[in-house]
Amino acid sequence: KAGVTQTPRYLIKTRGQQVTLSCSPISGHRSVSWYQQTPGQGLQFLFEYFSETQRNKGNFPGRFSGRQFSNSRSEMNVSTLELGDSALYLCASSFRTSGADTQYFGPGTRLTVL
Amino acid sequence: KQEVTQIPAALSVPEGENLVLNCSFTDSAIYNLQWFRQDPGKGLTSLLLIQSSQREQTSGRLNASLDKSSGRSTLYIAASQPGDSATYLCAVRRGGGTSYGKLTFGQGTILTVHP
Repeated sequence: KAGVTQTPRYLIKTRGQQVTLSCSPISGHRSVSWYQQTPGQGLQFLFEYFSETQRNKGNFPGRFSGRQFSNSRSEMNVSTLELGDSALYLCASSFRTSGADTQYFGPGTRLTVL
Repeated sequence: KQEVTQIPAALSVPEGENLVLNCSFTDSAIYNLQWFRQDPGKGLTSLLLIQSSQREQTSGRLNASLDKSSGRSTLYIAASQPGDSATYLCAVRRGGGTSYGKLTFGQGTILTVHP
């Protein structure tokens, strides 16, 4: 079974631009979560989707948004980029939204904002 | 608010040593705890998942224990190898409600195993 895939792997943007990141979960998984990883803050939860519905959201400004499609693929969008948005963005999938399931992470998208 | 702390922040050991990584959490109302490893610039690889009703889990040279009442977990690595060098992260998932998908992570322990 293929793992979680994320595209693109690397991205360079300038302040004020917007960006869209994509995540394809493991086949059969219906829950997708997004995390931001920075050296200072570590790993922080952004949001979780299950069956196209946002189930949970972290403490991030409204510039961060996401969605999930009927095939469980997910995208996250960051508008009006700031220097502080530079980070590794990780996507994780699990079979259900139930807490019993292991979360499997993708390789991440490295976003650099200049 | 759940807080997760990992000690030590960094650890350097010679090959062959047995070692213990520690993780503590402030809210014992967890659903489960998961240990991950992360290689530089890469994503997270799940190592072990312990449900709140379990005391430990084992996989090969790895053994993770959980003491929910005291808010502690340990990851034991036997006979360490240079290939074990990575950052080890523990993460807890809160029980109940709609927060199942949310993992709260510690800051990680950077492990270096010297040949």
